[in-house]
Amino acid sequence: NAGVTQTPKFRVLKTGQSMTLLCAQDMNHEYMYWYRQDPGMGLRLIHYSVGEGTTAKGEVPDGYNVSRLKKQNFLLGLESAAPSQTSVYFCASGWGRDTYEQYFGPGTRLTVT
Amino acid sequence: LAKTTQPISMDSYEGQEVNITCSHNNIATNDYITWYQQFPSQGPRFIIQGYKTKVTNEVASLFIPADRKSSTLSLPRVSLSDTAVYYCLVGFTGTASKLTFGTGTRLQVTL
Repeated sequence: NAGVTQTPKFRVLKTGQSMTLLCAQDMNHEYMYWYRQDPGMGLRLIHYSVGEGTTAKGEVPDGYNVSRLKKQNFLLGLESAAPSQTSVYFCASGWGRDTYEQYFGPGTRLTVT
Repeated sequence: LAKTTQPISMDSYEGQEVNITCSHNNIATNDYITWYQQFPSQGPRFIIQGYKTKVTNEVASLFIPADRKSSTLSLPRVSLSDTAVYYCLVGFTGTASKLTFGTGTRLQVTL
């Protein structure tokens, strides 16, 4: 099993450009999450999904959109990138329900200039 | 989601037992307590989760007193490879929108 994979691993964008980060999991998990982590900080939840076709806002959703068209994939989009979105982005998946046990991907390091 | 407070950093020598305490005074009845470990340039890794009393697995123990207003992660006989940041989370999936990892506790293990 690959677990949780993220594409790409690194990306540099200019202000105003758009991009999509792809997260895929092969554990048949219902819940999927997108986080961002800034230097020296903990992870902050951007958006999450409790099942195929559903999405919900987390703590810091502004400037991001998500989609979960297939159970195994969770996409994070930046429509117009800003320098404040420079961060490391982590995707995670889990069973949800009564557990916060999540499995994380390796992260995507995004720099917006 | 219950606010958590952890020490910013801790130091230990290899072979010692390390206890990291997390305070969560406003924990709710439905909340679970979950701990993660994060190494540099990696995503967090689930360590252990509990609701009350004591939970033990192959890598750690989690102690939760009766009032559940705090919890202690215990790492037996740490090694250099346990140097990492440890996060305490309190909540349940019904409050996933407020899920936050905080800044965690940076554990440094030396010889």
